[in-house]
Amino acid sequence: AQSVAQPEDQVNVAEGNPLTVKCTYSVSGNPYLFWYVQYPNRGLQFLLKYITGDNLVKGSYGFEAEFNKSQTSFHLKKPSALVSDSALYFCAVRDDTDKLIFGTGTRLQVFP
Amino acid sequence: DAMVIQNPRYQVTQFGKPVTLSCSQTLNHNVMYWYQQKSSQAPKLLFHYYDKDFNNEADTPDNFQSRRPNTSFCFLDIRSPGLGDAAMYLCATSRDYQREGFFFGPGTRLTVL
Repeated sequence: AQSVAQPEDQVNVAEGNPLTVKCTYSVSGNPYLFWYVQYPNRGLQFLLKYITGDNLVKGSYGFEAEFNKSQTSFHLKKPSALVSDSALYFCAVRDDTDKLIFGTGTRLQVFP
Repeated sequence: DAMVIQNPRYQVTQFGKPVTLSCSQTLNHNVMYWYQQKSSQAPKLLFHYYDKDFNNEADTPDNFQSRRPNTSFCFLDIRSPGLGDAAMYLCATSRDYQREGFFFGPGTRLTVL
């Protein structure tokens, strides 16, 4: 079965510093991977996806993610964090029945 | 703009009183999903429609039902809400065989008194 794991419940980073939110995946076949962000009492906002092609994927709000097949990882990154990036981040994989399976989420806290 | 709309955004009901949550979409996507999300946990898939075909997840309680009268609309019915059903309910759409992202609505927060 397809699955994703987010090993960190929370990530803390100072504003202006680079940030990384980790995600590893387990899939059979080609992975279709996604990152979503959720602000308090809001729905999920799409950030970026990896379907095929370049391993470095650029998304919304300056975020990017690197697909690493050998390490089965899809870590979310941003060169310079903003306080407004503080939110809950979910990694997800689309399984072979067209369902989206989420990781447990990582809370990002950016301190001024 | 094409989008996924959920109504209401906030719903308060009483223990055991049936409630219906609504989702509509202008994307003309053939797949619609209902997720339940409790207090910052991962969204949990309840069921989805693939066109008119209903697909229930194995662990979705019988208390939860769904209707999809047409492509644009999908409803979540909770027949007898319990305190444990208080959660954010998220509707999402996608198009089959298209390796695109899913499109989520803003969610409905359900409170059970």
